[in-house]
Amino acid sequence: DVKVTQSSRYLVKRTGEKVFLECVQDMDHENMFWYRQDPGLGLRLIYFSYDVKMKEKGDIPEGYSVSREKKERFSLILESASTNQTSMYLCASAQGGVNSPLHFGNGTRLTVT
Amino acid sequence: RKEVEQDPGPFNVPEGATVAFNCTYSNSASQSFFWYRQDCRKEPKLLMSVYSSGNEDGRFTAQLNRASQYISLLIRDSKLSDSATYLCVVNIGGKSTFGDGTTLTVKP
Repeated sequence: DVKVTQSSRYLVKRTGEKVFLECVQDMDHENMFWYRQDPGLGLRLIYFSYDVKMKEKGDIPEGYSVSREKKERFSLILESASTNQTSMYLCASAQGGVNSPLHFGNGTRLTVT
Repeated sequence: RKEVEQDPGPFNVPEGATVAFNCTYSNSASQSFFWYRQDCRKEPKLLMSVYSSGNEDGRFTAQLNRASQYISLLIRDSKLSDSATYLCVVNIGGKSTFGDGTTLTVKP
């Protein structure tokens, strides 16, 4: 069974702090993704990566960056947290190929005060 | 217009009922399709892939109509445990776009 692990279930940070959200998968998947989920807005793609040291912007990359130094780990970075980044953050991984479904971690609920 | 659109519901049905969800997508180049289930405050989990020929998994049947650009999910003999939000997902080039979800509540 695929396991995608996010480092924190709940996180509270202050405005202006630099925030790191970590995600690790154990199935040697090529592709990794970061989404945020907000009521009424659904899941929105922030960044994704198809390979180590590779990254692509998703639909809402502003205010975020990512790092993929190792295949199994994909980090989301909030350079200077703001209150509008309060959200549920979901990491996912998938094998390469267009027919590969996503496997999600259990999410990090981030509150920025 | 959203890339993937679903009727948000909610759908409230009695146990044993048959319920169907539809989802439309705007990009004709879409390559693969999935239904996910999401329970309250949990992550989405894959329910089933959707194939052009249609496919069935127990009480669940998924259909794809490429000409009309919609996919459907049929749940037969609904159980209380089917209560959840069902997300339609469309994939292009390995990038997935989610619908906003349809909420189902199955009542005794």
